[in-house]
Amino acid sequence: EAQVTQNPRYLITVTGKKLTVTCSQNMNHEYMSWYRQDPGLGLRQIYYSMNVEVTDKGDVPEGYKVSRKEKRNFPLILESPSPNQTSLYFCASSFRPPTGVNEKLFFGSGTQLSVL
Amino acid sequence: QKEVEQNSGPLSVPEGAIASLNCTYSDRVSQSFFWYRQYSGKSPELIMSIYSNGDKEDGRFTAQLNKASQYVSLLIRDSQPSDSATYLCAVNTGFQKLVFGTGTRLLVSP
Repeated sequence: EAQVTQNPRYLITVTGKKLTVTCSQNMNHEYMSWYRQDPGLGLRQIYYSMNVEVTDKGDVPEGYKVSRKEKRNFPLILESPSPNQTSLYFCASSFRPPTGVNEKLFFGSGTQLSVL
Repeated sequence: QKEVEQNSGPLSVPEGAIASLNCTYSDRVSQSFFWYRQYSGKSPELIMSIYSNGDKEDGRFTAQLNKASQYVSLLIRDSQPSDSATYLCAVNTGFQKLVFGTGTRLLVSP
């Protein structure tokens, strides 16, 4: 089954404790992206990747890191989480950039992160 | 001014009615427009995309685009309770960048 797999689904942590949210897709997509979703602010892009070893900042990259060592994986790293990073996070992928004709983003099931 | 604006709702319609969801965008060079549906507690899924001025129909859904007015809408005919969800408008605002609105919550009552 074609899917984007995110883990964990829920995560509660404390300020400053490094964490990684994993994301994997099995569709051979070139484009992968991380979003955070907050009430009243909608979906905002954190980082995206056009292909292996090619990553770039989105609209809200501060406090986050990513890597794309393999095509299928795109982990999100919070080196020193803070309470303002409490949010619902989505990983998404598409074959090409999702702005193109007939392209669509496939989303993971989301990770609800709480930073205390 | 936000890049993509939507009324947060909720928009309440009775079953069988037409639901009209609206979205405005600020970047005149935007070329592609998308509607994603997000059920409560779930991830967004694409339901429609439109690139040219005018209407595009897919089953009960019709997307309408007016680039001169920087306006895109989604009509849902014969609304069903299962259509109750948040509808996210997404617009490309430059090379490879997709910006989402905050979404409109739709409630369809039986």
